[in-house]
Amino acid sequence: DAGVTQSPTHLIKTRGQQVTLRCSPKSGHDTVSWYQQALGQGPQFIFQYYEEEERQRGNFPDRFSGHQFPNYSSELNVNALLLGDSALYLCASRTRDRLAKNIQYFGAGTRLSVL
Amino acid sequence: DAKTTQPTSMDCAEGRAANLPCNHSTISGNEYVYWYRQIHSQGPQYIIHGLKNNETNEMASLIITEDRKSSTLILPHATLRDTAVYYCIVRVPNSGGSNYKLTFGKGTLLTVNP
Repeated sequence: DAGVTQSPTHLIKTRGQQVTLRCSPKSGHDTVSWYQQALGQGPQFIFQYYEEEERQRGNFPDRFSGHQFPNYSSELNVNALLLGDSALYLCASRTRDRLAKNIQYFGAGTRLSVL
Repeated sequence: DAKTTQPTSMDCAEGRAANLPCNHSTISGNEYVYWYRQIHSQGPQYIIHGLKNNETNEMASLIITEDRKSSTLILPHATLRDTAVYYCIVRVPNSGGSNYKLTFGKGTLLTVNP
């Protein structure tokens, strides 16, 4: 059973460019969340998707957008990249089954460097 | 979600028990305590969670005080591979609507020494 998979593992972009990160959730999971983790900090919630819609959003600008596909996989898009967007981007999946107690499973992340 | 307080760092000798504390004095009655850990350059990994009773699984034990204002994660026989940042998170597991986010603090860096 594959866990949460993210691609690519590393990415280098320049300021002003756009980037797309991808996530496949753990088998049986229908909800995907994205987190940004700056160096030395804990992960910060960006947004969450289920049923192909954004359901909750953290304190991130509109430059951050996402999408969820019918197979539950998800993309995170960041436009007009800034140096401060350099971080580890984490995808987490879960099932909304109440018995699962909101346990979330994380991928290994995509390391984005903006030069 | 209730705020948590954890020590910035701790050391533990290999083979000994590691006891990681977490204070959550403002926890409400329906909030659970969750523990995750993050090994360097990997994503966070779920360890254990509990409401008020002590819990144990194959990874760790969770001891929650009777007033629920603090808890301790216990790794009974720490190994070098347990070196990681450990996060204590308090929240309602299924708060209704669409609020499922996890709020991470800075966690505790546990270093297991040979």
